[in-house]
Amino acid sequence: RKEVEQDPGPFNVPEGATVAFNCTYSNSASQSFFWYRQDCRKEPKLLMSVYSSGNEDGRFTAQLNRASQYISLLIRDSKLSDSATYLCVVPNQAGTALIFGKGTTLSVSS
Amino acid sequence: EADIYQTPRYLVIGTGKKITLECSQTMGHDKMYWYQQDPGMELHLIHYSYGVNSTEKGDLSSESTVSRIRTEHFPLTLESARPSHTSQYLCASETAGGTDTQYFGPGTRLTVL
Repeated sequence: RKEVEQDPGPFNVPEGATVAFNCTYSNSASQSFFWYRQDCRKEPKLLMSVYSSGNEDGRFTAQLNRASQYISLLIRDSKLSDSATYLCVVPNQAGTALIFGKGTTLSVSS
Repeated sequence: EADIYQTPRYLVIGTGKKITLECSQTMGHDKMYWYQQDPGMELHLIHYSYGVNSTEKGDLSSESTVSRIRTEHFPLTLESARPSHTSQYLCASETAGGTDTQYFGPGTRLTVL
């Protein structure tokens, strides 16, 4: 299994839709997980951190399944401004750095 | 917004030139990182530092070098730029306390002709 693996998409959804991304990871000892958002030609920015079973922030919900080693990001009531690439991030085996997934691209249309 | 800065934002330069990409942060973070990202591709860690006088190579082999003489400053140098170095270079720093949250600078988009 790759250290971090994501479905690259793209996910093309209409405004108001609910969309979910999955990410699998290989480091079973990881205690922290992150979702970053990266707009086209911009730097990544932290969207959510996940330290236990999940986290919710407005329309965004992150869930962690340790047994199956995957984390998910759910976006409800999608907005045009949600269009971006969403990066799944997990610490590496040595705990010395973060591993960024290739990202899942979301395109929300009106 | 995080206080991490990179200069220049864009650089177009000829083959064989020596270049230094600047990165500085005013948050007092001990950990700093350099990533390389090609368009539409994932970030690759090329260097990191856990504090002054500490530098390590990342997962992706790179011909660049880094230095960390001051906490707030983490420059990256290419002694002789080549077209294969064309990419976006992103600097990041990490909060203290083991939260692993990284804040990124705006990046330097390098083009070597």
